[in-house]
Amino acid sequence: GDSVTQMEGPVTLSEEAFLTINCTYTATGYPSLFWYVQYPGEGLQLLLKATKADDKGSNKGFEATYRKETTSFHLEKGSVQVSDSAVYFCALSKAGNQFYFGTGTSLTVIP
Amino acid sequence: SQTIHQWPATLVQPVGSPLSLECTVEGTSNPNLYWYRQAAGRGLQLLFYSVGIGQISSEVPQNLSASRPQDRQFILSSKKLLLSDSGFYLCAWGGFPGYTFGSGTRLTVV
Repeated sequence: GDSVTQMEGPVTLSEEAFLTINCTYTATGYPSLFWYVQYPGEGLQLLLKATKADDKGSNKGFEATYRKETTSFHLEKGSVQVSDSAVYFCALSKAGNQFYFGTGTSLTVIP
Repeated sequence: SQTIHQWPATLVQPVGSPLSLECTVEGTSNPNLYWYRQAAGRGLQLLFYSVGIGQISSEVPQNLSASRPQDRQFILSSKKLLLSDSGFYLCAWGGFPGYTFGSGTRLTVV
């Protein structure tokens, strides 16, 4: 069945460091891919998405490119800030209702 | 604009007690609604989804149930809570290409 695998956390980085959180997926057909972010004590918010191969989603300095050949959607940011500390979820969905989420990766950015 | 409300924000309940979590959506009609659970150290698990009033689909067997008495209201219930029901419960609406999540309810069963 469809699934998402993301890198295990927790991840701890210093401010201004480069961030990569790996995400790979297994799906039939042509899923859309998403990154959601959960700040401490809050629900999930959509961070970015890509709906077809080679699309790049971007928001708040974060980017992820839909790579069909490697079935990946890695999240990157060139210079993280303390305010980026959160849990990040990779997810996929096809043209339907159900989403499949990864287990989440906790990021802590230290000053 | 569409908003989603979920309450309470936190809840501590004894084992064996009942549960009722409520979620309401504003600014949209006939939304698809979802209940997810996030257990400590684990990802998000879809519990129930509903495409309309009285229509509930369950994704995993458990001692929880869901109901949709009104178009924009989705309720998660249990008759007798278990310790394993502790977690962070999230309501969501929408669907393709994205969800909007509520702020969540942290349930601790003691």
